[in-house]
Amino acid sequence: EPEVTQTPSHQVTQMGQEVILRCVPISNHLYFYWYRQILGQKVEFLVSFYNNEISEKSEIFDDQFSVERPDGSNFTLKIRSTKLEDSAMYFCASSEIEKLFFGSGTQLSVL
Amino acid sequence: GNSVTQMEGPVTLSEEAFLTINCTYTATGYPSLFWYVQYPGEGLQLLLKATKADDKGSNKGFEATYRKETTSFHLEKGSVQVSDSAVYFCALAGGGGYNKLIFGAGTRLAVHP
Repeated sequence: EPEVTQTPSHQVTQMGQEVILRCVPISNHLYFYWYRQILGQKVEFLVSFYNNEISEKSEIFDDQFSVERPDGSNFTLKIRSTKLEDSAMYFCASSEIEKLFFGSGTQLSVL
Repeated sequence: GNSVTQMEGPVTLSEEAFLTINCTYTATGYPSLFWYVQYPGEGLQLLLKATKADDKGSNKGFEATYRKETTSFHLEKGSVQVSDSAVYFCALAGGGGYNKLIFGAGTRLAVHP
């Protein structure tokens, strides 16, 4: 079965640094998403992306966050200046129309 | 706003035991309901779904029935296996769309031989 691939699996960064989380969605999918899960809390929606633009975003997705599909295959989440509270597991997902396929996540640790 | 509440874990069972993981929701309109499963080291996988009241979703021996009167979508399996050990997430999508899933906190299931 096709997979959504996320890299790296673990990322450690210093507070205030920029990080880019990378995802390769399934090739014929049209919709792309980022979710995150802070340890012990719920999986939370961050943003959805369709037709090269953000289709919906949550309150969490403030000006420090951005997404990009730079080359037609990758889908990235950038955090400009990381904060301690950004430490979480970040999941990328993609879908053709309905069923979401999730990657295995990137564990981000902000020190 | 929309929300999902599911029973806290961990749930520990012996092989072949009956499983119930409770899930209730709050939503406006007619959401679609889902169960996702996360095996160790893997991403979230759709286990089953139901899109309208009284629908029953089923997959791999798991079942859940969309109960509008009790706003519930409890997950059940008649006989669990060690390989079912995972974290199970209940989720909803409002308005029939799939763009914005709202998840419960997840319930960890551990099945022992």
